Amino acid sequence: DAKTTQPPSMDCAEGRAANLPCNHSTISGNEYVYWYRQIHSQGPQYIIHGLKNNETNEMASLIITEDRKSSTLILPHATLRDTAVYYCIVKGTSGSRLTFGEGTQLTVNP
Amino acid sequence: EPEVTQTPSHQVTQMGQEVILRCVPISNHLYFYWYRQILGQKVEFLVSFYNNEISEKSEIFDDQFSVERPDGSNFTLKIRSTKLEDSAMYFCANNLVLAGEKFFGPGTRLTVL
Repeated sequence: DAKTTQPPSMDCAEGRAANLPCNHSTISGNEYVYWYRQIHSQGPQYIIHGLKNNETNEMASLIITEDRKSSTLILPHATLRDTAVYYCIVKGTSGSRLTFGEGTQLTVNP
Repeated sequence: EPEVTQTPSHQVTQMGQEVILRCVPISNHLYFYWYRQILGQKVEFLVSFYNNEISEKSEIFDDQFSVERPDGSNFTLKIRSTKLEDSAMYFCANNLVLAGEKFFGPGTRLTVL
């Protein structure tokens, strides 16, 4: 599975959009981009995933660049409860494991 | 919304003792996993289980570890002889399809003294 690079930390004001970047320059054609988050030692929580098209669900939007070498997770209106570590994970369709990196610690400030 | 449950929430044991961590996955899910997270470190994959057998395991998952679904619903992780370095949060996860979202449980905090 391709390696990902994320900033170690980011801050965001409550009510504003949080844009979390992820670089995955070695991604291959059949690998998906997944985002999970972990709120203070709770179990990781799935957010969204995509292959090459932009995706949106009730939690977030995922924007993947045309060359697929990077992506951005967007939380449109961040709340204090969105404070968490966000993990960008690239994974192919074969194999079952998720490989978690260090992630980005997002702090939403009042 | 269906959720994964894990018991106990916290387990304290003496070094060398056996522990069994239990998970009740979401019903009709087919793929089952254990992950662990040592305090302050990354979440690490241990093992995946499908069709009543291990489908993938990491180098962490040595002979001291075993998994089973004893009654077709519960999914357990056994550590035969615990070591101090086994102290961690252990998360169970499952999903319906291999490429789909994984649902994680709240975790069991294992403390080995």
